[in-house]
Amino acid sequence: AQKVTQAQTEISVVEKEDVTLDCVYETRDTTYYLFWYKQPPSGELVFLIRRNSFDEQNEISGRYSWNFQKSTSSFNFTITASQVVDSAVYFCALSEARSGGSNYKLTFGKGTLLTVNP
Amino acid sequence: DTGVSQNPRHKITKRGQNVTFRCDPISEHNRLYWYRQTLGQGPEFLTYFQNEAQLEKSRLLSDRFSAERPKGSFSTLEIQRTEQGDSAMYLCASSLALRTYTDTQYFGPGTRLTVL
Repeated sequence: AQKVTQAQTEISVVEKEDVTLDCVYETRDTTYYLFWYKQPPSGELVFLIRRNSFDEQNEISGRYSWNFQKSTSSFNFTITASQVVDSAVYFCALSEARSGGSNYKLTFGKGTLLTVNP
Repeated sequence: DTGVSQNPRHKITKRGQNVTFRCDPISEHNRLYWYRQTLGQGPEFLTYFQNEAQLEKSRLLSDRFSAERPKGSFSTLEIQRTEQGDSAMYLCASSLALRTYTDTQYFGPGTRLTVL
């Protein structure tokens, strides 16, 4: 069975601090996909990134960066120079691959509530 | 391109009543998913459709729950004889899944159900 663990329930930082959100996953599949979603107070899940299990390159997008390490089954998310607008619940999710390369249902972690204070 | 829409956004009902939620996916997305999210938890998969075919149902989906996607476009999720334990946010997501392309699920704003 697949499992995603986000051990940090809540994190509070002051604006401009860097913050890392941890994600550890379990799967028996050799091909799988990892995701991060942001859920602001409005409630809608916003897609941030998708990674497949064969691509361990780290990715940077503006102030966001992701570190994928298969050896430790981790897919951590770092926000550099955090801003108040980054305050939200962040979810890490895992999906197994189906034939043809597509993925389907997502298994989510419990989320990390990030509060960025001015 | 408009995103996934869900109606109603909020629903308050009394225990034992039936409720129906609607999800309109992103245009031309062939997959549609339903998830349930309770307070302090991540979303949990309920069921999904590929076009009009319902391909998988979670064991979370008791026989009081039924989902349809009659023409492969919008979907409805009905809960019969609601119970207080059904109180949750019901999220819909859609994606464009092609054989050689890895799809990403885009979520709607959710329908928050409160059963009194």
